[in-house]
Amino acid sequence: AQKITQTQPGMFVQEKEAVTLDCTYDTSDPSYGLFWYKQPSSGEMIFLIYQGSYDQQNATEGRYSLNFQKARKSANLVISASQLGDSAMYFCAMREGKRGGADGLTFGKGTHLIIQP
Amino acid sequence: NAGVTQTPKFRVLKTGQSMTLLCAQDMNHEYMYWYRQDPGMGLRLIHYSVGEGTTAKGEVPDGYNVSRLKKQNFLLGLESAAPSQTSVYFCASRTGVVEAFFGQGTRLTVV
Repeated sequence: AQKITQTQPGMFVQEKEAVTLDCTYDTSDPSYGLFWYKQPSSGEMIFLIYQGSYDQQNATEGRYSLNFQKARKSANLVISASQLGDSAMYFCAMREGKRGGADGLTFGKGTHLIIQP
Repeated sequence: NAGVTQTPKFRVLKTGQSMTLLCAQDMNHEYMYWYRQDPGMGLRLIHYSVGEGTTAKGEVPDGYNVSRLKKQNFLLGLESAAPSQTSVYFCASRTGVVEAFFGQGTRLTVV
């Protein structure tokens, strides 16, 4: 079974609208971290936001927020007031195990977001 | 990204040739990672290191070897390249809980 599932291969959104990118995860470990990355067409990986499994509040970073629903194993990324520069691939990722543990990340297949003027 | 440098950026190999990819970071990070990214896929972990002299296998380690002789450098080797190893390779390093620093990627083609 996939550990990270991103069900939206592609999305088209009008500029200035809010965007929700879906991510569900699968783990039996009570301790884990969830991450979102942006990959523009230039190819680099840009970290956006992190949520720990024990964090009580949803993470926010500027225009990005993570809608964390633990019981549903859902970690959706919300981008408020989308901009043309938000057009990119977006990846959800997870690390299982204790906070700060050494294991690497497991990534989803990504969502290609296109912002239209 | 400032702080993590991958060398080379592009390479074309013939099947059976060997090569080494270098990842260098100047942030004194303990943890370093090698990932590969194939078309339509997210990144997959190849190997990682928790400190100088240590390495561990990730999800897709076969056909690769790594070494971390110095804290700032993490080398990924392909002893006998195969077309299935055509991919974009990313190195990452971290301190704390977040891989906030990725290299710019190495695009490798094996013909």
